[in-house]
Amino acid sequence: GNSVTQMEGPVTLSEEAFLTINCTYTATGYPSLFWYVQYPGEGLQLLLKATKADDKGSNKGFEATYRKETTSFHLEKGSVQVSDSAVYFCALQGSNYKLTFGKGTLLTVNP
Amino acid sequence: DVKVTQSSRYLVKRTGEKVFLECVQDMDHENMFWYRQDPGLGLRLIYFSYDVKMKEKGDIPEGYSVSREKKERFSLILESASTNQTSMYLCASSFGTGYDEQYFGPGTRLTVT
Repeated sequence: GNSVTQMEGPVTLSEEAFLTINCTYTATGYPSLFWYVQYPGEGLQLLLKATKADDKGSNKGFEATYRKETTSFHLEKGSVQVSDSAVYFCALQGSNYKLTFGKGTLLTVNP
Repeated sequence: DVKVTQSSRYLVKRTGEKVFLECVQDMDHENMFWYRQDPGLGLRLIYFSYDVKMKEKGDIPEGYSVSREKKERFSLILESASTNQTSMYLCASSFGTGYDEQYFGPGTRLTVT
């Protein structure tokens, strides 16, 4: 079956530091890949997505590239802000509408 | 903007009670989902529905049922609540053409005492 493994947190960074959150997946076929973000007290919202190999998703300074050869979709941001503090979920979608999520990574950014 | 609303943000129920969690979406989406979120476990799919009156079990359906009588509304039912169902419950919807992003509601934090 499908599965997603993302780096365990928590991750604590200082403002303006570089962020990487690793995500690897196992899936049959050609899944779509997503990063969702959950701010404190809120539901999940889509951060970015990629639907085929070598696609790069980007939003709000975050980027992730769909790497089929390494089955990875790592999230990066060049300079994090305090407002980026949240839980980040990597997810994949196969052919049956269902999303499979990683366990989430808590990011805390200190001023 | 797509809006997914859930009937309660916080709910406290007693063991053995029947509990209804309601979810409504306003974008005419075909698919609707119920997840529970627990620390260290991420999100796990309970049930989903790809059309009115249609439903499929997710990964952890035991102890839950669902109802979808109208396209915009998807209800999660705990027939007899137990303490191990204390969790955050998230509803989501998607358009339905296949590789579509899901839009989430704010969640209901249910405590069963």
